[in-house]
Amino acid sequence: NAGVTQTPKFRILKIGQSMTLQCAQDMNHNYMYWYRQDPGMGLKLIYYSVGAGITDKGEVPNGYNVSRSTTEDFPLRLELAAPSQTSVYFCASGRDRGRDGYTFGSGTRLTVV
Amino acid sequence: QKEVEQNSGPLSVPEGAIASLNCTYSDRGSQSFFWYRQYSGKSPELIMSIYSNGDKEDGRFTAQLNKASQYVSLLIRDSQPSDSATYLCAVTSRHYGQNFVFGPGTRLSVLP
Repeated sequence: NAGVTQTPKFRILKIGQSMTLQCAQDMNHNYMYWYRQDPGMGLKLIYYSVGAGITDKGEVPNGYNVSRSTTEDFPLRLELAAPSQTSVYFCASGRDRGRDGYTFGSGTRLTVV
Repeated sequence: QKEVEQNSGPLSVPEGAIASLNCTYSDRGSQSFFWYRQYSGKSPELIMSIYSNGDKEDGRFTAQLNKASQYVSLLIRDSQPSDSATYLCAVTSRHYGQNFVFGPGTRLSVLP
């Protein structure tokens, strides 16, 4: 049982480049989330999804896009990377919104130079 | 006012002591409250959940909730060096569709 799998684990981007962070879960969870964590800070919600085909913005959505074509996958797209997007990105999933807690992936450490 | 606030620490306690971690939140409609532990360079892992006023105990951990004061705490008894980590408080928020909002975390250091 893999849980929540994120790829890649590390990435360096140049300013203006684009990339997709991949997230997949095998627990049949409807709810999936993307968070970013800056050094010494808590987790900030970027986007979330309550099921295939349904996504919504969180606290800090600017500069990001998501899609949810299947229950299992929830990729995060960065367009025109900026140094302010240097962060650690965590994907998470949950069975029930806010009730049972989330299972987190291992994270993607992104540096924009 | 921030949605969820925590003292950033570091909080240092000697091995075997009780560590007390505190969290306040601003949304009176919050319904679920969680504590996550995060080791350096790792992802958060869920350690406690609490939904009703009062205390909830699980092994060495006790979560305390006071909705009237908008306050949730985590007590760690018989603290061990392996408890040294950052503890994140997470609270559901109506502002974000009852999804979790996380506090900045409190760094705990348990000294041998």
